[in-house]
Amino acid sequence: GNSVTQMEGPVTLSEEAFLTINCTYTATGYPSLFWYVQYPGEGLQLLLKATKADDKGSNKGFEATYRKETTSFHLEKGSVQVSDSAVYFCALSYGSNYKLTFGKGTLLTVNP
Amino acid sequence: DVKVTQSSRYLVKRTGEKVFLECVQDMDHENMFWYRQDPGLGLRLIYFSYDVKMKEKGDIPEGYSVSREKKERFSLILESASTNQTSMYLCASSGPGVGYNEQFFGPGTRLTVL
Repeated sequence: GNSVTQMEGPVTLSEEAFLTINCTYTATGYPSLFWYVQYPGEGLQLLLKATKADDKGSNKGFEATYRKETTSFHLEKGSVQVSDSAVYFCALSYGSNYKLTFGKGTLLTVNP
Repeated sequence: DVKVTQSSRYLVKRTGEKVFLECVQDMDHENMFWYRQDPGLGLRLIYFSYDVKMKEKGDIPEGYSVSREKKERFSLILESASTNQTSMYLCASSGPGVGYNEQFFGPGTRLTVL
């Protein structure tokens, strides 16, 4: 079956630090890949997505590249802000299956 | 913008009560989903629906049922609430098509069962 593994948190960074959150997946075929973000007290919001190999998703300074050869979709940001403090979820969706498979989430805290 | 609303942000119920969680979306989406979110476990799918009156079990359906009588509304029912159902419940919806369905989430309902 499909599965998503993302790095365990929590991750604590200082403002303007570089962020990487690792995400790898197991799936049959070629899934679509997503990063969702959950700010404190809120539901999940789509941050970025990629639908085929070598696609790069980007939004709000965050980027992730769909790497088929390493089955990875790592999230990066060059300079984090306090407002980026949130839980980040990697997820995949495949074929006619309407469901998303989520990783367990990574809590990011950015200190001023 | 797609809007998914949930009937309550916080709910406190007693063991054995029947609990209804309501979710409404305004984008005419075919697919709707109920998840529960627990620390260290991420999001787990309880049930989903791909059409009115149609439903399928997700990964953890035990102790839950659902109802979808209208396209915009998807209800999660706890027939007899138990303390291990204390959790954050998230509803989501997505449009037609296959493959990369982007799901839009509601704000969540934090349910406490005493």
